[in-house]
Amino acid sequence: DVKVTQSSRYLVKRTGEKVFLECVQDMDQKNMFWYRQDPGLGLRLIYFSYDVKMKEKGDIPEGYSVSREKKERFSLILESASTNQTSMYLCASIDRAKGQYFGPGTRLTVT
Amino acid sequence: GEDVEQSLFLSVREGDSSVINCTYTDSSSTYLYWYKQEPGAGLQLLTYIFSNMDMKQDQRLTVLLNKKDKHLSLRIADTQTGDSAIYFCAERNSGNTPLVFGKGTRLSVIA
Repeated sequence: DVKVTQSSRYLVKRTGEKVFLECVQDMDQKNMFWYRQDPGLGLRLIYFSYDVKMKEKGDIPEGYSVSREKKERFSLILESASTNQTSMYLCASIDRAKGQYFGPGTRLTVT
Repeated sequence: GEDVEQSLFLSVREGDSSVINCTYTDSSSTYLYWYKQEPGAGLQLLTYIFSNMDMKQDQRLTVLLNKKDKHLSLRIADTQTGDSAIYFCAERNSGNTPLVFGKGTRLSVIA
């Protein structure tokens, strides 16, 4: 099974700070995804990547960027954090047949 | 675009069966999934079904797929308090495209 880890379970940042959320998967998968989860809105796809140095915008990319320099690592960057980016952030990788495997999530609070 | 719908809440008594329903719009869906999310955790893949199947059973879980009506259900037999969680339905049509998720059904189990 693919194992996906995220660097932090909880983060508190100030408005305007640059925030890095790191995700690592251990099974040599090409595809990785970043979602945010908010009550009543479900999971919304922010960005995804099919391979190293490749990225695709998801449904809500505004205010975010990503970096994929190594196959196992996919970083989500908030260039200037805002309070409306307070959310649970979930990273996932994919097995072609079995679907997406998720990390434990990072709960980010922007004050 | 593709859409996945599910009811937001379900409440059952301990020991009863739970049935969580989901409808989707993409007729080319290849794989359909059920995920479970416990409080404060990421999403855990529970089970999946290929679109050429109409039923899959795995211990207390039964997945039924009506491809004609684009309806997927998850039945949990002998529901326990530990089954209390949010359950997400998701579909994917092919390749490594991102899954499309429903908003999740919060299952509450009453002792």
